[in-house]
Amino acid sequence: ETGVTQTPRHLVMGMTNKKSLKCEQHLGHNAMYWYKQSAKKPLELMFVYNFKEQTENNSVPSRFSPECPNSSHLFLHLHTLQPEDSALYLCASSQVRGTGLNEQYFGPGTRLTVT
Amino acid sequence: EDQVTQSPEALRLQEGESSSLNCSYTVSGLRGLFWYRQDPGKGPEFLFTLYSAGEEKEKERLKATLTKKESFLHITAPKPEDSATYLCAVVRRAGNKLTFGGGTRVLVKP
Repeated sequence: ETGVTQTPRHLVMGMTNKKSLKCEQHLGHNAMYWYKQSAKKPLELMFVYNFKEQTENNSVPSRFSPECPNSSHLFLHLHTLQPEDSALYLCASSQVRGTGLNEQYFGPGTRLTVT
Repeated sequence: EDQVTQSPEALRLQEGESSSLNCSYTVSGLRGLFWYRQDPGKGPEFLFTLYSAGEEKEKERLKATLTKKESFLHITAPKPEDSATYLCAVVRRAGNKLTFGGGTRVLVKP
């Protein structure tokens, strides 16, 4: 595997279900991100993890719960979602070094539909 | 609050017809501006990073420029494979949080 992988690629879940999205980066990066991409809206940052520590929570509802067990893996646990949470969920990673600014590399996303 | 506005929302071009995409931004202390390309059903793919006004970067038929208020992505003699959504994002100083614009959907017809 190369780059950033995400599973599953597609997920349909009911509002009472609990599911998890998985992201793995094979780039040796130390920062990982979750983004939400809804139709007609810009990409929205949800969470940032630097060196496995959460450094940003962009006012995301508690029904989304991230987990970063190590610098290569990132999970997004989902429970009691609403139909408006249907979107493409993208994971990204980057290498954070001092004051340097490095680009983020994105996975292919998980297309989530909440019924 | 950081703001990024991209125009136009959609652009239809004939193959070979050059054009420019605009990204206007408001940010408190720009650390960098990114351009990404996104194909349907895929994640964004990194194209360029620009750091300061006057900077230019090129890759094949694409050229990105930066001023203090906006960035342009010029597509020279586009081909159908250049069809994609082009995203612009800014990062403010002391952080690595990207704020994205809404994107420009480009369709290049043969």
